[in-house]
Amino acid sequence: AQSVTQLDSQVPVFEEAPVELRCNYSSSVSVYLFWYVQYPNQGLQLLLKYLSGSTLVESINGFEAEFNKSQTSFHLRKPSVHISDTAEYFCAVVNTGFQKLVFGTGTRLLVSP
Amino acid sequence: KAGVTQTPRYLIKTRGQQVTLSCSPISGHRSVSWYQQTPGQGLQFLFEYFSETQRNKGNFPGRFSGRQFSNSRSEMNVSTLELGDSALYLCASRLAPQGTDTQYFGPGTRLTVL
Repeated sequence: AQSVTQLDSQVPVFEEAPVELRCNYSSSVSVYLFWYVQYPNQGLQLLLKYLSGSTLVESINGFEAEFNKSQTSFHLRKPSVHISDTAEYFCAVVNTGFQKLVFGTGTRLLVSP
Repeated sequence: KAGVTQTPRYLIKTRGQQVTLSCSPISGHRSVSWYQQTPGQGLQFLFEYFSETQRNKGNFPGRFSGRQFSNSRSEMNVSTLELGDSALYLCASRLAPQGTDTQYFGPGTRLTVL
């Protein structure tokens, strides 16, 4: 079975600073990878996903993530964060066998002025 | 297109009662999944329905059940509620149960068991 590890439960940063949220996964088969964001009192919104092809994927709001098969990682980065990026971020994996999402425990990004 | 809708948004129940939560998927989506979110356990998969059939099931007791109707709307039922069932219940829909299909989430139903 696959699993996802998000080692950082909380990441505090100052506005306009860069940030990296770490995600590692384990699976014996090929996987698809996702990052979701959850704002307070809301459901999850898809931020970006890796299915195949280019290992670097980008979102419309400046986030990017790179799939690294050898390190089994899918870290999320943003070069300059805004206050509005304050939210909880979940990494998720699905393999072609089970076809269901398995989530990490989430990382709370706290952006302060 | 309208997003995934869930009703009700908030529920307060007492131990021993049962509860039914409803989810309407995005138009055209035939797969509906349910997740439980708690501070201690995080996001846990409950089950997925596609074409009125349960396709996948997580590790939850039989008190948790679900169904899907011919219009793809889904309901989730929890019987004999326990304090530990207090959680945010999220519904997600996608076109079909394929790994490449993105799941779109609703706002959730916040269940509090007293």
